[in-house]
Amino acid sequence: LAKTTQPISMDSYEGQEVNITCSHNNIATNDYITWYQQFPSQGPRFIIQGYKTKVTNEVASLFIPADRKSSTLSLPRVSLSDTAVYYCLVGVDTGTASKLTFGTGTRLQVTL
Amino acid sequence: GAVVSQHPSRVICKSGTSVKIECRSLDFQATTMFWYRQFPKQSLMLMATSNEGSKATYEQGVEKDKFLINHASLTLSTLTVTSAHPEDSSFYICSARVGTGGSGYTFGSGTRLTVV
Repeated sequence: LAKTTQPISMDSYEGQEVNITCSHNNIATNDYITWYQQFPSQGPRFIIQGYKTKVTNEVASLFIPADRKSSTLSLPRVSLSDTAVYYCLVGVDTGTASKLTFGTGTRLQVTL
Repeated sequence: GAVVSQHPSRVICKSGTSVKIECRSLDFQATTMFWYRQFPKQSLMLMATSNEGSKATYEQGVEKDKFLINHASLTLSTLTVTSAHPEDSSFYICSARVGTGGSGYTFGSGTRLTVV
């Protein structure tokens, strides 16, 4: 899996938009970009996945520039419940034994 | 959606004893499951890949004799921490594939192990 680099932590106030950028300079042609969210003392939860340009779902948006060497997870109008660690993963699906390798993640703290 | 049930959610054991953690796929069959360990304020570290009906594949540096993995059925994988020591205290999480791509994984709720 391509190595990823994210900020260790971010702080935000409730109601703001939060953008978390992940660098993945060595991304391969077939690699997808996936983001997971982990609340304290829980397993990670899938948020969003993309290959290029922009992907949006009910939770977040994912922006991927043309060179795909970075990606930005955008959380609109965060609330206290969005306080969590966000992981950016890059890799290709090679079958049933494909394993997810997590990087350091970004610890987002949302306050009033 | 696909759910992985992990038990117990937390356990405290004495040094030298063994602890078993169960991971069940509730509404799907999981040929492959993954076990992770997470220390406080750190990321998830993959320990091993559990394959139904065969031996688990351990990541480098993980002691297979200490962390016994059994995947006897398509819905159950277990991790047994043998002769536990305080340094084994951690958050253990299982995962299973439910689809393709990076989105195709579901995780258990984790087990907080404290060895005293």
